[in-house]
Amino acid sequence: GNSVTQMEGPVTLSEEAFLTINCTYTATGYPSLFWYVQYPGEGLQLLLKATKADDKGSNKGFEATYRKETTSFHLEKGSVQVSDSAVYFCALTHRRGTALIFGKGTTLSVSS
Amino acid sequence: DAGVIQSPRHEVTEMGQEVTLRCKPISGHDYLFWYRQTMMRGLELLIYFNNNVPIDDSGMPEDRFSAKMPNASFSTLKIQPSEPRDSAVYFCASSLGLRGGSYNEQFFGPGTRLTVL
Repeated sequence: GNSVTQMEGPVTLSEEAFLTINCTYTATGYPSLFWYVQYPGEGLQLLLKATKADDKGSNKGFEATYRKETTSFHLEKGSVQVSDSAVYFCALTHRRGTALIFGKGTTLSVSS
Repeated sequence: DAGVIQSPRHEVTEMGQEVTLRCKPISGHDYLFWYRQTMMRGLELLIYFNNNVPIDDSGMPEDRFSAKMPNASFSTLKIQPSEPRDSAVYFCASSLGLRGGSYNEQFFGPGTRLTVL
């Protein structure tokens, strides 16, 4: 079946450090891939997306590239800020389906 | 647009009581999803609707859970009777589905934090 695997957290970084959160997926066909972010006490917000192989999604300094050969969609940011502290979820959905399949989430904590 | 609206934001109840969670999707969205979030299991899809019709309820844990969508602007998730293991944050989300393009961005509500004592 379809699934998403994320690196275990929590991830603790100092401000301005480089961030990588690994995400790999198992799916048939060509799913669309997403990163969602959940700030404390809030619902999930779409951070970025990619709909086909080699697409790069980007937003707010975050980037992720859809790598079909490695079935990965790793999230990166060159310089994190305290305000980036949140839980990050990798997810997938198929073009003809509508339900999202989420990874378990990775908690990021950034200190000044 | 006000976004997805959920009520109540917090609910504390005693075991055995009936609990009803409410959701108003974004106007014009024809898909509605109910998710449950716990520390142990992460985010789980419970059920989703398309044009008010339940499409997939395989994630509903047991018969104590039921969901309805009487019209395009309102959905409920009911737990009867509630148990302590139902304590979680319940999220509602809506989307345009395939009409929204090749991806299906889902817009989430703020969630209802349910505590069953």
